Order: sequence, then C-alpha cells, then structure tokens
Amino acid sequence: AQTVTQSQPEMSVQEAETVTLSCTYDTSESNYYLFWYKQPPSRQMILVIRQEAYKQQNATENRFSVNFQKAAKSFSLKISDSQLGDTAMYFCASLLLFGNEKLTFGTGTRLTIIP
Amino acid sequence: NAGVMQNPRHLVRRRGQEARLRCSPMKGHSHVYWYRQLPEEGLKFMVYLQKENIIDESGMPKERFSAEFPKEGPSILRIQQVVRGDSAAYFCASSLDGQPQHFGDGTRLSIL
Repeated sequence: AQTVTQSQPEMSVQEAETVTLSCTYDTSESNYYLFWYKQPPSRQMILVIRQEAYKQQNATENRFSVNFQKAAKSFSLKISDSQLGDTAMYFCASLLLFGNEKLTFGTGTRLTIIP
Repeated sequence: NAGVMQNPRHLVRRRGQEARLRCSPMKGHSHVYWYRQLPEEGLKFMVYLQKENIIDESGMPKERFSAEFPKEGPSILRIQQVVRGDSAAYFCASSLDGQPQHFGDGTRLSIL
C-alpha cells in the first residue's frame, strides 16, 4: 500500500518570498511517479509538477521546483517569487507506474500568500 | 481541446434519492477515474474504468455506489439512496496510457 504524508496543514508567506511545502511518502515499489496538484478556491485540481522516480534530476516548471530525495522518500515543492494567485490548497500525490494507476493523495497544505 | 467535463457542477438531493454524476473525458482519453473529496480532506480514489470495463473499484463502497463507462457517452457515477455522509465533492479524471491524469472541475453533492 502507498501512503503520502503532508505534515504542514497550513502555511503563509509574504508575496515575492520563497516557500517550501513538505511531502513524504511510503511505497515498496521502485517505479512510480510523484505529483503536486494545486486546488484554488474554485476547487479545480491543477497539475503543478510531475517527477518520475527513475529520474535523478529534480523537475522544474517556471517558479515551481521539487527536491526529490528518493532514499529518504521525500518530495518537497519550492515556490519561488510567490504570487497572490498561488494561494490554494496543495496536494502531494503518488502513482505506481505499473499498478492500477490510482493516485494516492496527501491531506494537503493550505498556502496563503500575504500581500 | 476541451478538458474533462463534469456535470452537474452542483447537485442537491434529499436523503433516499438517487444521484447521478456525469463525466466526459478529454478527447481520445480511454481511462477514467473517480475520486471523492470530503470537506477539509484530500481526494480519495474510488474507481478506475476503461471503456466498458471496471478495472479497479477497490475504493468504492460496496453498497449503493456504482460506476460505468459505456462504449458511447459519458462515464456515470451513481449513488442510490443517498445519505448525509455522501455529501462531498466528486472529481473525475481522465488520461491516456502512461500520461498524467487531468481533472474535471468536480461535482459538489449536497444531501438535505
């Protein structure tokens, strides 16, 4: 079974600062993907970034980057130059590459960007 | 290319009624997933379907809940004899083989 843990229920940061959201996971498999999804107040689920476990290089998407530590089973999200539109719930999720393709989500971190 | 379409956006039902939630996947996507999000919680997997087949329904309650993805038309999540505890947001996602799942905007189900 897979589990995903987000230990920060809420975070806040000043606009333009950098913030890091934590995520740890547990799986006995070696082939999997990790994701960060953003859920703004509109409740859409928006894919922010994806990391393949077999890749050592950390994924980046503009202001969003991850710190993937496979041995420690850690997958944190860094948001640089934070903007008001980044205010949202952020969910970490895992998916087995050759499994039943279901996403396993953490409980989320509510991020507030302060003007 | 239209995204995943879910309707209705909001659905209100009285206890004991039936709820039908619809999901049209992105064009060309053959994999459909349903997730449930209770208030202040993350999404929980319910069921994974491909055309005319249920692949994994391990997250779906054994009673009152059913899902289908027919050869033609949208995927349907059906909840019979709804109870207050069914109140939640229900999200549908679709994907191609080996590609990330794209989510719809969800259906918020409220039970009176």
